[in-house]
Amino acid sequence: NAGVTQTPKFRILKIGQSMTLQCAQDMNHNYMYWYRQDPGMGLKLIYYSVGAGITDKGEVPNGYNVSRSTTEDFPLRLELAAPSQTSVYFCASSALEGYNEQFFGPGTRLTVL
Amino acid sequence: GQNIDQPTEMTATEGAIVQINCTYQTSGFNGLFWYQQHAGEAPTFLSYNVLDGLEEKGRFSSFLSRSKGYSYLLLKELQMKDSASYLCAVPPYNQGGKLIFGQGTELSVKP
Repeated sequence: NAGVTQTPKFRILKIGQSMTLQCAQDMNHNYMYWYRQDPGMGLKLIYYSVGAGITDKGEVPNGYNVSRSTTEDFPLRLELAAPSQTSVYFCASSALEGYNEQFFGPGTRLTVL
Repeated sequence: GQNIDQPTEMTATEGAIVQINCTYQTSGFNGLFWYQQHAGEAPTFLSYNVLDGLEEKGRFSSFLSRSKGYSYLLLKELQMKDSASYLCAVPPYNQGGKLIFGQGTELSVKP
């Protein structure tokens, strides 16, 4: 099992550009999450999904969009990138039942200039 | 809402014991998680406490007091590789499996 995979690992964007951060998991987990982590800070939840076709906002959703067409994939879309979106983005997944541990991908380091 | 508080940083000596505290305020309670995050890497799961008391896993133990809204992570026989950020997290009540994280405690282990 690859677990949770994310692409790309690094990306530099110009202000106003758009991009999609890819996330996939092969553990058949229903729950998937997107977090951002700014330097020296904890993780902030951007969006999450409890299953294919179902998504909901987290703490900091502005400037982002998500979709969940399959159980495996949960891409995060940035429209009109801004310097405030410079951060490390982590995707995670967890099993359906109860309050289970989340498994994290390796992260995408994004810089907006 | 939820509020989680942890010290920003701590320093300890190799071979020693260190205790990292976490206080939380939540509307409803569904347990508390501890994650470890090495610099430049993803967080990894350490422990989950839902009942009061101490749970031990090798050199790491986690304690919970629900009445005090308090948890701690205890690391024994510290090793240099334990230098990392330790994140406390709680699931909001009745909101699926999502987690709210504290800012993390940066632990530096010195020789």
